[in-house]
Amino acid sequence: QQPVQSPQAVILREGEDAVINCSSSKALYSVHWYRQKHGEAPVFLMILLKGGEQKGHEKISASFNEKKQQSSLYLTASQLSYSGTYFCGTEISYGGATNKLIFGTGTLLAVQP
Amino acid sequence: EAQVTQNPRYLITVTGKKLTVTCSQNMNHEYMSWYRQDPGLGLRQIYYSMNVEVTDKGDVPEGYKVSRKEKRNFPLILESPSPNQTSLYFCASSSILSGSPYNEQFFGPGTRLTVL
Repeated sequence: QQPVQSPQAVILREGEDAVINCSSSKALYSVHWYRQKHGEAPVFLMILLKGGEQKGHEKISASFNEKKQQSSLYLTASQLSYSGTYFCGTEISYGGATNKLIFGTGTLLAVQP
Repeated sequence: EAQVTQNPRYLITVTGKKLTVTCSQNMNHEYMSWYRQDPGLGLRQIYYSMNVEVTDKGDVPEGYKVSRKEKRNFPLILESPSPNQTSLYFCASSSILSGSPYNEQFFGPGTRLTVL
């Protein structure tokens, strides 16, 4: 039930835009986005909740289509500091009392000067 | 400073030699979790804990044990490590809000383990 991220990798020039997609085969309760710079721990970017509430980053936006079980992360006017691997995490029900958060395999983003 | 700490950061060991990776957080978080990260596979959850003395299996629990005797600590134990447990391990913690632990997770710096 691991979500599928696309693209697997993308190279940009500074100032260009990028979209990273995350798709699940299961109904989603929420979608989480993290960024991991090389050699560092993942860092929280945002959470998107059912019903449209969004919590997180000021300069990066995202959408959550509950019906399609998809989320997209939008990076506009990319900066060198945006480089890293982006992970989406999808909160799904396993039928028990507690949902589970499953991470995708990541999208490597490289921003060049 | 609010943080999650892990020790050791790097460890090379041999097959079968028991080891423990410690994890500690100073944010009074109820939820703690262990992940392993392997190339091309992303972050996969090993075990998690919703509170003291409450632990449960994640997606890849085989070969691992955990305990949660204190709220701040969540050690990962490999009783008989094997080469396929060579990986980068992350501990994470978060608050439980409105009954859900899936809020902003704070990750430790990682432990790179090599099992020969």
